[in-house]
Amino acid sequence: KAGVTQTPRYLIKTRGQQVTLSCSPISGHRSVSWYQQTPGQGLQFLFEYFSETQRNKGNFPGRFSGRQFSNSRSEMNVSTLELGDSALYLCASSRTGTGGYEQYFGPGTRLTVT
Amino acid sequence: EDQVTQSPEALRLQEGESSSLNCSYTVSGLRGLFWYRQDPGKGPEFLFTLYSAGEEKEKERLKATLTKKESFLHITAPKPEDSATYLCAVQAVGGGSQGNLIFGKGTKLSVKP
Repeated sequence: KAGVTQTPRYLIKTRGQQVTLSCSPISGHRSVSWYQQTPGQGLQFLFEYFSETQRNKGNFPGRFSGRQFSNSRSEMNVSTLELGDSALYLCASSRTGTGGYEQYFGPGTRLTVT
Repeated sequence: EDQVTQSPEALRLQEGESSSLNCSYTVSGLRGLFWYRQDPGKGPEFLFTLYSAGEEKEKERLKATLTKKESFLHITAPKPEDSATYLCAVQAVGGGSQGNLIFGKGTKLSVKP
């Protein structure tokens, strides 16, 4: 069974630009969550999508947005990039967005903002 | 505020030297506690889910336990390949963090041959 895939794996952008990251969940998983990982803050929750609807959102500015398609694939977008947005962005999928179901992570997209 | 604290931040062991990692948590209501392993440059790999105090799970040299305030990850006779960062996360019931995972900062484990 294929795992969570994320594209691209590495990205270098300039301040002020915008970026779109993609995530394909494990087959049959309908919930997709996004996290930002930095050395200082660790893993922080961005948002969760289930059946094309945002169910939950973390404490990030509106520059961070996402969406989910009917096939459960998800994208996140960051507009007006800042140096502090440099991080590993991780996507995780689970069977549902409720209960204690395990979340399985992809390899991440390493974003560097210069 | 829901919070997860892991200790120690870093742990160096000799091969075969057993030890434990700690994860203490404060949540309004615990839905589940998760342990992950993360290797450099990779996404976290799921290890265990614990739902209620007294529950234990085992996998090879790893054993996770849960109380009402903390969880332990016991590593028995570790090998160099167990070297990684171990992350603890909780999923809370209700409140502003419902559904998402709240992670600790992790414990970086190094096992020397």
